[in-house]
Amino acid sequence: GESVGLHLPTLSVQEGDNSIINCAYSNSASDYFIWYKQESGKGPQFIIDIRSNMDKRQGQRVTVLLNKTVKHLSLQIAATQPGDSAVYFCAETEAGGGSEKLVFGKGTKLTVNP
Amino acid sequence: GAGVSQSPSNKVTEKGKDVELRCDPISGHTALYWYRQSLGQGLEFLIYFQGNSAPDKSGLPSDRFSAERTGGSVSTLTIQRTQQEDSAVYLCASSFRAFVSGSSDTQYFGPGTRLTVL
Repeated sequence: GESVGLHLPTLSVQEGDNSIINCAYSNSASDYFIWYKQESGKGPQFIIDIRSNMDKRQGQRVTVLLNKTVKHLSLQIAATQPGDSAVYFCAETEAGGGSEKLVFGKGTKLTVNP
Repeated sequence: GAGVSQSPSNKVTEKGKDVELRCDPISGHTALYWYRQSLGQGLEFLIYFQGNSAPDKSGLPSDRFSAERTGGSVSTLTIQRTQQEDSAVYLCASSFRAFVSGSSDTQYFGPGTRLTVL
């Protein structure tokens, strides 16, 4: 079946650096993508989303880029802070059965070193 | 409430026992989802509710798993005759509106219930 996957399981950066987390997806019919941040012992927290009719979307210190040609999604975090340390999941919505269930990748663990 | 809440936060049970997990979605959200997250893994879809009905149960792993939603709000996920492989964090999410083709809505998650089956 089709799935969403991540290129790197772990990423370690220095405080103040920019971070880039990558994600590949295989369902060409997906039209909505979300990045979630999950801290230890907590549920996933919405960070930013993007629809398939867009290539780029910016939030506060975060940017999501979507390349539909190669089915690639990335999350850029500017001036990474220790509080950004968490596991980051990309997810796509997969319509079917009358619902929009999220299909998640396995996650990338981001560690920010002071 | 301000966000999705789940109870209990932790549940330890013996193999073969039944468990019930509860989810309170964000007020006004019509759609509710259950996911399961095994250790070090991503999230796996279980079931979706629109109002009180469950049009998508495709993710339930076996007939030991069932869920219901009453009054279009609170949902319970029941696991009968629990097995050790059921140990995981069970996450609930809700979103504002019904599934409408081409207009996905953001799902907001609760803190999860950590289930341990001994």
